[in-house]
Amino acid sequence: AQTVTQSQPEMSVQEAETVTLSCTYDTSESDYYLFWYKQPPSRQMILVIRQEAYKQQNATENRFSVNFQKAAKSFSLKISDSQLGDAAMYFCALALTGANSKLTFGKGITLSVRP
Amino acid sequence: KAGVTQTPRYLIKTRGQQVTLSCSPISGHRSVSWYQQTPGQGLQFLFEYFSETQRNKGNFPGRFSGRQFSNSRSEMNVSTLELGDSALYLCASSLIGQSSYEQYFGPGTRLTVT
Repeated sequence: AQTVTQSQPEMSVQEAETVTLSCTYDTSESDYYLFWYKQPPSRQMILVIRQEAYKQQNATENRFSVNFQKAAKSFSLKISDSQLGDAAMYFCALALTGANSKLTFGKGITLSVRP
Repeated sequence: KAGVTQTPRYLIKTRGQQVTLSCSPISGHRSVSWYQQTPGQGLQFLFEYFSETQRNKGNFPGRFSGRQFSNSRSEMNVSTLELGDSALYLCASSLIGQSSYEQYFGPGTRLTVT
């Protein structure tokens, strides 16, 4: 079975600063995908960034980047130049490849952005 | 392209009743997954349907069931509602064959059981 752990329930960042959200996971599979999803107060879950486990290069999407450490099973999200609109709940998730592609989520972390 | 839609958005039911929630995936998406979100348990996978067949199932009692129609629309049903079934139910669709395995979520149905 797969597990995803987000040990920090809440974090706060000053607008324009950088924040890193932590995530660790466990799986015995070698082929999988990792995701960070954002859930704003409106509740629509949206994908922030995706990482293929077989790729060593860390994924980046504009102000969002990840630090993927496969051996350590760590997958942290860095948000640069934080904006008020970044305030949301962030979920780390893992999906195996193939037919069993369900998402296993962490508990989530609530990020607040101070103006 | 229209996103994932879920109806109704809000629902209040009484213990013992049953409820049916609906999900319309993005056009062309053939996989629909359902998740239950609660403050205590977080997001938990319920089941996934692909081409009208249940492909994966989470660890939920048999009171939770679902189905998918030929147009990929999906419904989930919860029978004999319990207070603990109060949750946000999210559905997500994906395009099978896409290497990213990205899932697109709907806005959710907020179910309150009294």
